[in-house]
Amino acid sequence: SAVISQKPSRDICQRGTSLTIQCQVDSQVTMMFWYRQQPGQSLTLIATANQGSEATYESGFVIDKFPISRPNLTFSTLTVSNMSPEDSSIYLCSGAWGYGYTFGSGTRLTVV
Amino acid sequence: TQLLEQSPQFLSIQEGENLTVYCNSSSVFSSLQWYRQEPGEGPVLLVTVVTGGEVKKLKRLTFQFGDARKDSSLHITAAQPGDTGLYLCAGVSEKLTFGTGTRLTIIP
Repeated sequence: SAVISQKPSRDICQRGTSLTIQCQVDSQVTMMFWYRQQPGQSLTLIATANQGSEATYESGFVIDKFPISRPNLTFSTLTVSNMSPEDSSIYLCSGAWGYGYTFGSGTRLTVV
Repeated sequence: TQLLEQSPQFLSIQEGENLTVYCNSSSVFSSLQWYRQEPGEGPVLLVTVVTGGEVKKLKRLTFQFGDARKDSSLHITAAQPGDTGLYLCAGVSEKLTFGTGTRLTIIP
């Protein structure tokens, strides 16, 4: 299965600033996704990262707030823009290959 | 919107006991997956069930997919402290739809 490296693992950011999270997969995956998770709770899909084109966002998430890039099959970034304390959460990337889905270890973001 | 409800939401039992976690949906999925997640880590895939009525065993864990492919259960026999974690079911379509989660704590 693919191995996903995600960084940073955690950060504390000032409100109004932006943070870019990077996700690197060690092999090609067909699809990549970004999720948000409150500690101890389930995962909510933010968007599907499409290679070379605009990401596909789920209801309640918009490109201006969460711009996503995927320049190739193994790398993607998620930016959390103009952060507020409500954006404090864990952000995870995921890669899909056949039936398999692999997840990064997550980025724990705290906005102060 | 596809929703997967898990029950119970929280479960704390003594080591050696048995338990069952349920995952129910109003939607049909092509397959269903179960994950376990530990703090500071991403979810790790335990099993994928594809066929209605399918039963899969992974050591002390038994997974069942409902006949109508809308529900599933996870049964753990003789729970161990290492089983502690957040258990998530996920319906597979063109993307994963995660269940509400079950936080399991096994007390030594």
